[in-house]
Amino acid sequence: DVKVTQSSRYLVKRTGEKVFLECVQDMDHENMFWYRQDPGLGLRLIYFSYDVKMKEKGDIPEGYSVSREKKERFSLILESASTNQTSMYLCASSLWGGLKETQYFGPGTRLLVL
Amino acid sequence: GQQVMQIPQYQHVQEGEDFTTYCNSSTTLSNIQWYKQRPGGHPVFLIQLVKSGEVKKQKRLTFQFGEAKKNSSLHITATQTTDVGTYFCAGFEGSQGNLIFGKGTKLSVKP
Repeated sequence: DVKVTQSSRYLVKRTGEKVFLECVQDMDHENMFWYRQDPGLGLRLIYFSYDVKMKEKGDIPEGYSVSREKKERFSLILESASTNQTSMYLCASSLWGGLKETQYFGPGTRLLVL
Repeated sequence: GQQVMQIPQYQHVQEGEDFTTYCNSSTTLSNIQWYKQRPGGHPVFLIQLVKSGEVKKQKRLTFQFGEAKKNSSLHITATQTTDVGTYFCAGFEGSQGNLIFGKGTKLSVKP
């Protein structure tokens, strides 16, 4: 079974702090994604990556950056956390083989920025 | 850009009643996927539809892809309390681009 893990289930940070959210998948997937999920807004894509050291902006990249130094790991970085970044963050991965592959999600990190 | 609209946003049913959620796209989709997210959980893939007019069944769940490949539906027959959660549709437009998620339909089932 595919396993996608995220470093924390819950995180509390203060405004202005630098925040790292880590995601690791163990199935050698090429594609990795970061979403945020907010009530009434569904899943919104922040950034994605098709390969090591490769990244592409999603629909809402402002205030975020990402890093993919190794194939299995995709990190989301909040350079200076703000209260409007309080959200549930979901990481996902999928096999290469076109963009129609199933996405496998991690358990999510619920981030609270005070 | 491509949008995937999903309705209703919330649905509350009595156990045993049927439930349907609908997904509509402004453009033709190459395929559509459905995910379920249990309360406190993460989205889990249910099924993918590719062909125009395709119908697939998983026990009490029936998935349809419209003839024009612009809409899809998920129908649950005789809901059970284990069906509670949020159901998301997600579609691809053409061969490029990303999976675009609908906002989801949150289903609650009263025993």
